[in-house]
Amino acid sequence: DQQVKQNSPSLSVQEGRISILNCDYTNSMFDYFLWYKKYPAEGPTFLISISSIKDKNEDGRFTVFLNKSAKHLSLHIVPSQPGDSAVYFCAASVDSGNTPLVFGKGTRLSVIA
Amino acid sequence: EAGVTQSPTHLIKTRGQQATLRCSPISGHTSVYWYQQALGLGLQFLLWYDEGEERNRGNFPPRFSGRQFPNYSSELNVNALELEDSALYLCASSLFRNEKLFFGSGTQLSVL
Repeated sequence: DQQVKQNSPSLSVQEGRISILNCDYTNSMFDYFLWYKKYPAEGPTFLISISSIKDKNEDGRFTVFLNKSAKHLSLHIVPSQPGDSAVYFCAASVDSGNTPLVFGKGTRLSVIA
Repeated sequence: EAGVTQSPTHLIKTRGQQATLRCSPISGHTSVYWYQQALGLGLQFLLWYDEGEERNRGNFPPRFSGRQFPNYSSELNVNALELEDSALYLCASSLFRNEKLFFGSGTQLSVL
């Protein structure tokens, strides 16, 4: 049973436009959500996170939105740059529990110049 | 500050052999996590060590095992290798349990 789902395996966006990556989760106990970016031959790197007490968190060009009732979060990248081309993983955890981060399968973003 | 380091970078084994993968966490981090990324799949949680103890393990057979040493470095052992064990094995560390994870670059294991 996949608790964190990224239903779009890939996404292509033109440089300068907005990239929107989506993530759905099924476990209502999740209360901490993160996005990671992964380039080929490198480990994932942390991008941005959000706690369930908030519905939005912003860091520069990156904004994460959380809709708890829909069990849905999204990552917005504005404006998109060619260097943003990577695989993006959504992850979730129960902040106070012994369950480690649960990752989605990832979405490959291609930003076209 | 050095990041999470993993060795070897690549490992080629044949079916039935054993593989040992190593990980050194960021200095001061006590939690070490192991994830498997098989082709086309996301990161599947394997094992979590904290303060030398196994805290949780994912849905993998017992031939996947590991340990954490007093200096918080960790080893992942895979016995009786099968073809489907071919994957990228990622190690991560965190300062406190379940905090933001910092990943190494991984060990690419190929089983022939």
